[in-house]
Amino acid sequence: AQTVTQSQPEMSVQEAETVTLSCTYDTSENNYYLFWYKQPPSRQMILVIRQEAYKQQNATENRFSVNFQKAAKSFSLKISDSQLGDTAMYFCAFTSLSGGYQKVTFGTGTKLQVIP
Amino acid sequence: ETGVTQTPRHLVMGMTNKKSLKCEQHLGHNAMYWYKQSAKKPLELMFVYSLEERVENNSVPSRFSPECPNSSHLFLHLHTLQPEDSALYLCASSQEGTSGEQYFGPGTRLTVT
Repeated sequence: AQTVTQSQPEMSVQEAETVTLSCTYDTSENNYYLFWYKQPPSRQMILVIRQEAYKQQNATENRFSVNFQKAAKSFSLKISDSQLGDTAMYFCAFTSLSGGYQKVTFGTGTKLQVIP
Repeated sequence: ETGVTQTPRHLVMGMTNKKSLKCEQHLGHNAMYWYKQSAKKPLELMFVYSLEERVENNSVPSRFSPECPNSSHLFLHLHTLQPEDSALYLCASSQEGTSGEQYFGPGTRLTVT
């Protein structure tokens, strides 16, 4: 079974600074995808960034980037130039094809507070 | 409408009531999911439908009954719930055969009194 661990329940960062959220996972699969989702307070959960396991290059989306270490099974999210709108719960997630459909496993989330 | 919609957004029900949550996706996806999100607990996968067939039932009590009449619609029928069932219920959809990226609805905030 796959597991996803986020060891930081809560974090805070000053506006305009950089913060890194940690995520580790465990799997015996070789082909899979990793995601970071963002859930702002009382708002819809949305995808922040996606990483294909077969790609060595780290994914980047504007101010968001990941550090994907496949051998270490680590998938951290770096947010640069933090903005107040980045305040949210961040969930790390893993998906692979299992039993004929894609099974998704989520971490417990990290609550990020951006301080003005 | 676009994306994934859920109705109602808020629901208060007594333990003896019967109600249904509705989810609709306008993305042409072929898989739909129900999740339960409680305070200070991980996101719990409840049910998965792939190509309108239920492929996962994650040990959910029988007082929760899902229905997927077609690939765009998903229901969660509720009856004789308990106060501990109060939570945010999220619906999501994805396209099988791709990365499995999930698109979430806004959720239904359920309170059982």
